[in-house]
Amino acid sequence: GQQVMQIPQYQHVQEGEDFTTYCNSSTTLSNIQWYKQRPGGHPVFLIQLVKSGEVKKQKRLTFQFGEAKKNSSLHITATQTTDVGTYFCAGSLSGTALIFGKGTTLSVSS
Amino acid sequence: DTEVTQTPKHLVMGMTNKKSLKCEQHMGHRAMYWYKQKAKKPPELMFVYSYEKLSINESVPSRFSPECPNSSLLNLHLHALQPEDSALYLCASSRLQGAQDQPQHFGDGTRLSIL
Repeated sequence: GQQVMQIPQYQHVQEGEDFTTYCNSSTTLSNIQWYKQRPGGHPVFLIQLVKSGEVKKQKRLTFQFGEAKKNSSLHITATQTTDVGTYFCAGSLSGTALIFGKGTTLSVSS
Repeated sequence: DTEVTQTPKHLVMGMTNKKSLKCEQHMGHRAMYWYKQKAKKPPELMFVYSYEKLSINESVPSRFSPECPNSSLLNLHLHALQPEDSALYLCASSRLQGAQDQPQHFGDGTRLSIL
């Protein structure tokens, strides 16, 4: 069945360092969404990418969708302690349910 | 604050009990979802309702019974659960325009423990 792989599983950085998480699908996706879940919280929608090669920015966060629409990345510049949490990518084929990646848990030390 | 409200926030029940989880949203979303999330794992889809009709059941055991009484409410009835069913149960909703392509809004979840 369709799978969405996400790496790394865990990442620890010093405050101010950059962070990247990668998402890869075995099949072409119609879109990819990114969610953030704080410890003890619920997933919160961050962004949706639909177009091949799309790049979107939200302040220090940069999201990319690959040309083949099979991979995506989230890059955080100059991490802050407020960035801690688990970042999930979630992809779907058109008309099918979202498939979540396993998530990358980010910890930040000051 | 979340726009999807789930009750109760915590629930402890025995394996012979019957209980229900409730979810409510007033965003006019016509797609609603139940997910199960174990610790350090991603949300795992259980059910999808579109226009109050069950559209996806991901082979969930019959001890979990969903119900969508109207466009704002979603229930999950629980009966004869097993200890491995202990998890965080998340409700989510989204607009229905190619539903699976729309951002999902999650509730805070119900943390369920089965004794």
